[in-house]
Amino acid sequence: DTEVTQTPKHLVMGMTNKKSLKCEQHMGHRAMYWYKQKAKKPPELMFVYSYEKLSINESVPSRFSPECPNSSLLNLHLHALQPEDSALYLCASSQVLAGGSNEQFFGPGTRLTVL
Amino acid sequence: QQQVKQSPQSLIVQKGGISIINCAYENTAFDYFPWYQQFPGKGPALLIAIRPDVSEKKEGRFTISFNKSAKQFSLHIMDSQPGDSATYFCAASGGSSNTGKLIFGQGTTLQVKP
Repeated sequence: DTEVTQTPKHLVMGMTNKKSLKCEQHMGHRAMYWYKQKAKKPPELMFVYSYEKLSINESVPSRFSPECPNSSLLNLHLHALQPEDSALYLCASSQVLAGGSNEQFFGPGTRLTVL
Repeated sequence: QQQVKQSPQSLIVQKGGISIINCAYENTAFDYFPWYQQFPGKGPALLIAIRPDVSEKKEGRFTISFNKSAKQFSLHIMDSQPGDSATYFCAASGGSSNTGKLIFGQGTTLQVKP
């Protein structure tokens, strides 16, 4: 299994809603990432988990809250988002964080619209 | 120091032609250079990657050329096909404080005309 899956594919939420994005991989990877991508722009790193511990937080607003329940799952909890947070949210995983093989494999993304 | 500059921003190639996308970096500590292909509404897919110990890597119609002294690398797509029409991102990572973070170029939108 060489796939990263993400649910839901699409999400529309109001600014007062609480929702969660989910990501799963079964490749035995120990590093997992959340990216945000705006139209016609490269992915922007948000968070990195290594061995289920938060390794990098790229100064992301607290309305985004990541969680890594186990080595296969990564969640992104959303609360009180703003319309400018509308974007494609991508999950990725790699074998390890650095050194060795850092090939990052991306999921299909969740298209988020904040009204 | 952390930037990766990618050009051109957009590219139109006839079917069967060669598509060439260039990237330049400044941080000499980078040691991993992947290329990603992204179709509209999809996640980026790892296409091909190279490390600085080789000057060229070929996988099918896709070739990375790497020039360590010039701090440049490029993607060549031979016999370009309409199905190759997508956005391509180069990236770089590595160094003494390697956090696994990929530094992406700004992307190139490729259109292959039939």
